[in-house]
Amino acid sequence: DAGITQSPRHKVTETGTPVTLRCHQTENHRYMYWYRQDPGHGLRLIHYSYGVKDTDKGEVSDGYSVSRSKTEDFLLTLESATSSQTSVYFCAISEGSGYNEQFFGPGTRLTVL
Amino acid sequence: AQKVTQAQTEISVVEKEDVTLDCVYETRDTTYYLFWYKQPPSGELVFLIRRNSFDEQNEISGRYSWNFQKSTSSFNFTITASQVVDSAVYFCALSERGSGYSTLTFGKGTMLLVSP
Repeated sequence: DAGITQSPRHKVTETGTPVTLRCHQTENHRYMYWYRQDPGHGLRLIHYSYGVKDTDKGEVSDGYSVSRSKTEDFLLTLESATSSQTSVYFCAISEGSGYNEQFFGPGTRLTVL
Repeated sequence: AQKVTQAQTEISVVEKEDVTLDCVYETRDTTYYLFWYKQPPSGELVFLIRRNSFDEQNEISGRYSWNFQKSTSSFNFTITASQVVDSAVYFCALSERGSGYSTLTFGKGTMLLVSP
């Protein structure tokens, strides 16, 4: 299994508070991704990174920011959490770009009250 | 319009039945990649297969088989002699040259329930 961890695995927070989710990989893969999964929507891309300090927006990036200062870590920040950001968040990695298979972390369940 | 359509939201079968999960995609690119992922009740996402647009050969892996037909823009997944452990949500996904191959677009998934 690809070495991908996410922290925290579960979090409950209140509307308006900042939240940071961390994805850590031990595979030295260049590409990292953040998705959210919601019922009826499947997986939707939030942001992705194609190298240290190189990031780009995905389909649902509003309200989210990311940072990647090291190859192994990709952080997702909700500057001011809203109830609509209650979701399960998955990190993924791939050796190359999207034509390579992506390997997913275990997910983080975030609840915004 | 959805780029990846999984029209079957939920399928229920009895163990040992064969079941086919449909995936229809939309792209203007001639070079693209298709994927299937499995998400069991435990929640993790498991990669199953990748197929590029130039390879229309069907693939078989044990009880799993995939039928790729460019003429109908479909990449269907068949499970033969289904088992309870096959119960999961299955996602089809597309990577296109037009997006620089940088991202995957997922369908909304098909939930498969296999009863004993």
